[in-house]
Amino acid sequence: SQQGEEDPQALSIQEGENATMNCSYKTSINNLQWYRQNSGRGLVHLILIRSNEREKHSGRLRVTLDTSKKSSSLLITASRAADTASYFCATNYGGSQGNLIFGKGTKLSVKP
Amino acid sequence: SQTIHQWPATLVQPVGSPLSLECTVEGTSNPNLYWYRQAAGRGLQLLFYSVGIGQISSEVPQNLSASRPQDRQFILSSKKLLLSDSGFYLCAWSVQGANTGELFFGEGSRLTVL
Repeated sequence: SQQGEEDPQALSIQEGENATMNCSYKTSINNLQWYRQNSGRGLVHLILIRSNEREKHSGRLRVTLDTSKKSSSLLITASRAADTASYFCATNYGGSQGNLIFGKGTKLSVKP
Repeated sequence: SQTIHQWPATLVQPVGSPLSLECTVEGTSNPNLYWYRQAAGRGLQLLFYSVGIGQISSEVPQNLSASRPQDRQFILSSKKLLLSDSGFYLCAWSVQGANTGELFFGEGSRLTVL
């Protein structure tokens, strides 16, 4: 399967701490994306990192990509209770439709 | 700005009954359209995608079908639901020709088959 795998499956931290989630994949990619899903809601795109990029920032989010290890990490700094959600990585292997392959997600709980 | 609407939000159906979930996109033309299913505690499984009216690609064999009668309308159907069809169904769109693959999701439809 080309599916990405997130690690850990669940993460519980205190408000103000940093949260790090990892994603591994199996074959070459065009880009890797991170999405967030609040319970019972649709997914929201957070950030996209291309295969020729190594790090990207967006607000409190920092994404890294290591193509040699076929892995990515998402860091949320100074977490807030509102960051509680599931986070998914999705890999784009190319093709005209740009179809994404999603992992199973990391469930993040931030306690106030 | 672009918006995506998906309905109904929740649905409880008996085994063997039909299904119709609808999705419409506003504010964009000729989008790629997708139906995903999310089982509890699992990732998203791509069911169907469409690059244009009447053009449907199926990713997995199943009891479901999809149709795209209009440019910005995508419908997920079943003639006879199975228990295993229960799940959270998500419609999504992406920009045609932009192969970054960034997806914009609807709010989902939770289907319970009893």
